[in-house]
Formats: sequence, structure tokens, C-alpha cells
Amino acid sequence: NAGVTQTPKFQVLKTGQSMTLQCAQDMNHEYMSWYRQDPGMGLRLIHYSVGAGITDQGEVPNGYNVSRSTTEDFPLRLLSAAPSQTSVYFCASSREAAEPYGYTFGSGTRLTVV
Amino acid sequence: EDQVTQSPEALRLQEGESSSLNCSYTVSGLRGLFWYRQDPGKGPEFLFTLYSAGEEKEKERLKATLTKKESFLHITAPKPEDSATYLCAGRGGATNKLIFGTGTLLAVQP
Repeated sequence: NAGVTQTPKFQVLKTGQSMTLQCAQDMNHEYMSWYRQDPGMGLRLIHYSVGAGITDQGEVPNGYNVSRSTTEDFPLRLLSAAPSQTSVYFCASSREAAEPYGYTFGSGTRLTVV
Repeated sequence: EDQVTQSPEALRLQEGESSSLNCSYTVSGLRGLFWYRQDPGKGPEFLFTLYSAGEEKEKERLKATLTKKESFLHITAPKPEDSATYLCAGRGGATNKLIFGTGTLLAVQP
């Protein structure tokens, strides 16, 4: 059981480049979400999805797009990378949004924008 | 404003030296207080969920408690393998989403 798989683990982008961070889960979870983690700040929600075909914005959505065409996959797209998007990105999933047993997180993607 | 504040930012303990981590919250309509453990280079790992004041949960050397304003993570006789960052998060507020604190970095020395 792989859980939540994120790729790549590390990425360096130049300002203005675009890229997609991949997230896949094999637990048949309906709820998936993307967070960013910055020093001195708590994890902040970027976008989330309560099921295939349904996505919504979180706290810090600007500069990011998501789609959910299957239950398993929830990619995060950076449209035009900026240095302010340098961060560690985590994908998380659960059976439902109000999951009492917490979210399962991936191991993260460390992104540097130069 | 809904907020979760953790203290201390960092804590260094000797092996066997018990202590507590604090999580203060001002989350309207709290619908769960969550504790996670995060190891370096890894994603957070779920530990506990607490729902009501007075509730307690235990797992090995860890015990989480909840009051109307705070949650505590008590660590009894810690071992070096307990070294990690411990994150607290409250679900509630206008969006009913998780609001994370900045974490406490715990280092347990042998």
C-alpha cells in the first residue's frame, strides 16, 4: 500500500516557468488537498477536492491551478513560477473532508524558484 | 481571526525527562483538534484527534489533552526516537478547514 505519492521530490524552476506537481493516492480517498509549508508559518491550504470533478480554493490559491479527473490523482499546476512560490508542497488525502482519523500526507516536493 | 499558536518553538530534553507541548487555539466552532508528528524531509503523520474539553488520548509515551482554550501534548520519559516536529491543527471557523500551528521542534538527547 503506497499511500500518497508525490513527484518530484525536488525541483528548481526559473521565474516564469510552469510545472506540475504530481500527487497520487491508492486508498480510494475522496478528499484530497494541497498545502504549502514555509518556515515560521503553519501549513497553508492551497486547493482541495471532495471528489472527482470537484475542486475548490483554499487559503492561498493565487498562482496555482488544480483539476481532479480521477479519484486517484490530484495534480497541482504552477502557471508562471515566482520566487514567492519557493516552498515545500504537501499533498494530503482522507476518506472525507471531516475525517476524524486525520489526513494521510505525502512526503513532499521541495520547490525552489530562482 | 481563527488562529492556532504552539509553544515553545523548540524544546530540548534529556532522555527520560518528561515535558509538555502547548497548543493554544482561537478557532470558532472547533470541530476537532489534531496532533501530527513530522520528521525531517517527511510529511506530517497523524497522531490524535480530540473533540471536546476534558478528552484525553494516549499512544505509547504521548498523551494529548484538550481544554476550551488549549491542548497539551504530554511526553512521558521521552526517547531519542521521539525527536521530531509536533504540529497542532484545529478544524473549524468559517471554512471548516484545518488551521495549523507552526509546530514545536522537539530534540531528545540520549
